[in-house]
Amino acid sequence: KQEVTQIPAALSVPEGENLVLNCSFTDSAIYNLQWFRQDPGKGLTSLLLIQSSQREQTSGRLNASLDKSSGRSTLYIAASQPGDSATYLCAVRYNAGNMLTFGGGTRLMVKP
Amino acid sequence: DAGVIQSPRHEVTEMGQEVTLRCKPISGHDYLFWYRQTMMRGLELLIYFNNNVPIDDSGMPEDRFSAKMPNASFSTLKIQPSEPRDSAVYFCASSLDRQGSTDTQYFGPGTRLTVL
Repeated sequence: KQEVTQIPAALSVPEGENLVLNCSFTDSAIYNLQWFRQDPGKGLTSLLLIQSSQREQTSGRLNASLDKSSGRSTLYIAASQPGDSATYLCAVRYNAGNMLTFGGGTRLMVKP
Repeated sequence: DAGVIQSPRHEVTEMGQEVTLRCKPISGHDYLFWYRQTMMRGLELLIYFNNNVPIDDSGMPEDRFSAKMPNASFSTLKIQPSEPRDSAVYFCASSLDRQGSTDTQYFGPGTRLTVL
């Protein structure tokens, strides 16, 4: 069974800190991996998508890396801000169809 | 485009009642997905359609759940009869179908269902 795990489940940091969210997956034969953000009471918004042939993607203060051989991805957030407070979900697309398998998410709180 | 539209946003019903959730995907998108999110189980894929045809419904919990997509711009998820354990947030998402696609899934705001 293909599983996606995120650690930690929750994280609280002071504003300005750099932080790393972790995602691990059991099957390395992935098609791509995405990081989503979910605000309370809202749907998911895609932040970054990394193709299986890529090692990393960057968008502003966000950087996502992918290491297929170890089955891991990290989301790095630089200079965190209170507006970054949300739940971050990692999702893996395997070759079978267009389905995504989601991790349980990391709930991030950035304190002013 | 207005994005993925879901209705209602909130639904409170009593056990045994029929519940119908609605979704309008982004125009031109070929895939439509229904997810359920709970604290205990996280985000689970229930069913997805490609060009209005159901492709994989292995995530549908039981026969009480059914989904249809009569045309490219509308889908429903029905629960009959509803049970308290069906209480969750139900999301609809859509995406494009392109080989080697880098397209993501675009999520609607969700329907929060409470079954009393």
